[in-house]
Amino acid sequence: DGGITQSPKYLFRKEGQNVTLSCEQNLNHDAMYWYRQDPGQGLRLIYYSQIVNDFQKGDIAEGYSVSREKKESFPLTVTSAQKNPTAFYLCASNAQGNTGELFFGEGSRLTVL
Amino acid sequence: GQSLEQPSEVTAVEGAIVQINCTYQTSGFYGLSWYQQHDGGAPTFLSYNALDGLEETGRFSSFLSRSDSYGYLLLQELQMKDSASYFCAVRGYNDYKLSFGAGTTVTVRA
Repeated sequence: DGGITQSPKYLFRKEGQNVTLSCEQNLNHDAMYWYRQDPGQGLRLIYYSQIVNDFQKGDIAEGYSVSREKKESFPLTVTSAQKNPTAFYLCASNAQGNTGELFFGEGSRLTVL
Repeated sequence: GQSLEQPSEVTAVEGAIVQINCTYQTSGFYGLSWYQQHDGGAPTFLSYNALDGLEETGRFSSFLSRSDSYGYLLLQELQMKDSASYFCAVRGYNDYKLSFGAGTTVTVRA
């Protein structure tokens, strides 16, 4: 079955540590996205990528980094520079030209201890 | 950029009809999307309006009026499983970013 796989589902990190969240899709989608969601709030865009080897900052990119070396993969690194990293992180993808529908992974919940 | 506003909460009884409004400010966009998210889960796509007018998908309908910078999601024959958060979203012409509203929490009571 086609879809988006995020891992890990739950992650605990000590302050000062970097952590990388994995996002893999087998939908053959060109575009991929990372969103952050805080309790009771909407989705805020961190980074997005329209094609391989290219990505753009979203609205809250500070303290995060990404890479897009393969079409299927779009990992997100939460660095120690991110002041408040505890959140629910969602990866999504869609096909080029499809402007309406995003497919989301199940999310990764990061807690900083 | 894009700015979208939705009511924060709506409560209704089973079988009722709920309308969730979304007003937006944007420099230009392709269309208005709606997503449903159950607590702790991933958002799932509900509908997309590229053109003005009403789109119907089963018990859910969505409407867009570009001249009024306004859209809504209509939930009919409410069921307990419809208790969730609902988000509107738009994709801008210039940057392809999909921007979301803050979401509306719908609570369905027996």
